[in-house]
Amino acid sequence: AQSVSQHNHHVILSEAASLELGCNYSYGGTVNLFWYVQYPGQHLQLLLKYFSGDPLVKGIKGFEAEFIKSKFSFNLRKPSVQWSDTAEYFCAVNGATNKLIFGTGTLLAVQP
Amino acid sequence: NAGVMQNPRHLVRRRGQEARLRCSPMKGHSHVYWYRQLPEEGLKFMVYLQKENIIDESGMPKERFSAEFPKEGPSILRIQQVVRGDSAAYFCASSPDTYEQYFGPGTRLTVT
Repeated sequence: AQSVSQHNHHVILSEAASLELGCNYSYGGTVNLFWYVQYPGQHLQLLLKYFSGDPLVKGIKGFEAEFIKSKFSFNLRKPSVQWSDTAEYFCAVNGATNKLIFGTGTLLAVQP
Repeated sequence: NAGVMQNPRHLVRRRGQEARLRCSPMKGHSHVYWYRQLPEEGLKFMVYLQKENIIDESGMPKERFSAEFPKEGPSILRIQQVVRGDSAAYFCASSPDTYEQYFGPGTRLTVT
């Protein structure tokens, strides 16, 4: 069965610290991969996506993610977080019929 | 271009009542997806619809839940005879094609 695992459920960082959130997926076919962010009180917004090509994907707000096919991973990174990055982050894979399969989310708290 | 609209944003129902959740996709989008987020869990796919057709309902509970996306008007997710376990946030997403999905603000259903 298709699944997505996010290893970190809660992450607390100080401003300017570097961020890496883990995401592993299980899916046998061609995958499209996504990271969504949900800021407090707001709806999900797309941070970045990978369909094909360069496995290092740049997204909005300084985020990037690297697709490593051999490890079935799509980790999210940001070199220096800000207080405004406090949010919940969801990794997702595009499965059959293009439905999204989400991980359980990582709650990031950035302390000023 | 207005985003995906969902209403109501909050809905309270007593056990046994019916809940109707509406989703208006972005202009030009003919694909609609419904997801449910239970407390402390990630989003789970429920159903995928195109105009007047259900494409994939593999995530829908077998009883009490139904969805439609008529030729005119919003997509409706209907829950009959609600139970406490139906309390959750219900998110709708729309897509112009079969890849990127844009999410609405969600409807938070509380069953008392």
